[in-house]
Amino acid sequence: EAQVTQNPRYLITVTGKKLTVTCSQNMNHEYMSWYRQDPGLGLRQIYYSMNVEVTDKGDVPEGYKVSRKEKRNFPLILESPSPNQTSLYFCASSLSAAESSYNEQFFGPGTRLTVL
Amino acid sequence: GQNIDQPTEMTATEGAIVQINCTYQTSGFNGLFWYQQHAGEAPTFLSYNVLDGLEEKGRFSSFLSRSKGYSYLLLKELQMKDSASYLCATRGYAGNMLTFGGGTRLMVKP
Repeated sequence: EAQVTQNPRYLITVTGKKLTVTCSQNMNHEYMSWYRQDPGLGLRQIYYSMNVEVTDKGDVPEGYKVSRKEKRNFPLILESPSPNQTSLYFCASSLSAAESSYNEQFFGPGTRLTVL
Repeated sequence: GQNIDQPTEMTATEGAIVQINCTYQTSGFNGLFWYQQHAGEAPTFLSYNVLDGLEEKGRFSSFLSRSKGYSYLLLKELQMKDSASYLCATRGYAGNMLTFGGGTRLMVKP
C-alpha cells in the first residue's frame, strides 16, 4: 500500500531531551516536507527536501533539523525541545518538486508531540 | 509573503449545498489546493486549480479567480461524513511549497 508513515504517533517528553520523529514513504517520491499544525494557525511548513541531500527551510524552521540521506526517509530532529514545540506534526511527500504539475502532497498520519 | 483567509467555522444541513470561500494575497502564485481533514487525521487532497474557472469532481467543485485572489470549494448533497475541516493552500514558485490557511471547520447537521 502506497503510504507515508511516521513514528512515533504520540510522544510526551521533557524540555531539552533530544528526539527524532521518523518519516518514511514507499512511493519513490522526490519531494518531502514537514509541517506543524497548531489551533488557529493552520499547517505551517518547517523544512522541505526536493531530493536526496537537498533540504531547505520552510516558514518556521527554528529549533528543528532535518536530513535526507535516502530518498524514502526524512527524519525531523529536535535537538533541545521546548514547550512551544508542543504540536501536531505531519510529514508529507509528493512525486516531484516540479512546478508544472499539480503534484499533490500525501500526508502521513501525524505525530502528536507534547513537551513538558 | 502569502496571506490566506477562510472562515473559521460553518454549519450546514445534510443534503444541502455549502460554499467555502478562500481569499489569498501572494507574492507569487502557482496553483491553489483544497484538502479535507477529519479531526485527528491527516489532510487528504480534494482539488487543484491553477487556471481560472471551475473544476468539478463528483459532489465537490472548486473555483478559482486569479485576478480576484479568490477561490471557493462547493460541496453538494452534503453527507454527515463531510463534517471536517477544509484547508485552502496556495503554492508559490519555490519548489512545491504550500502555504495553508487556518482551515474552515464544517459541521453537517441532520
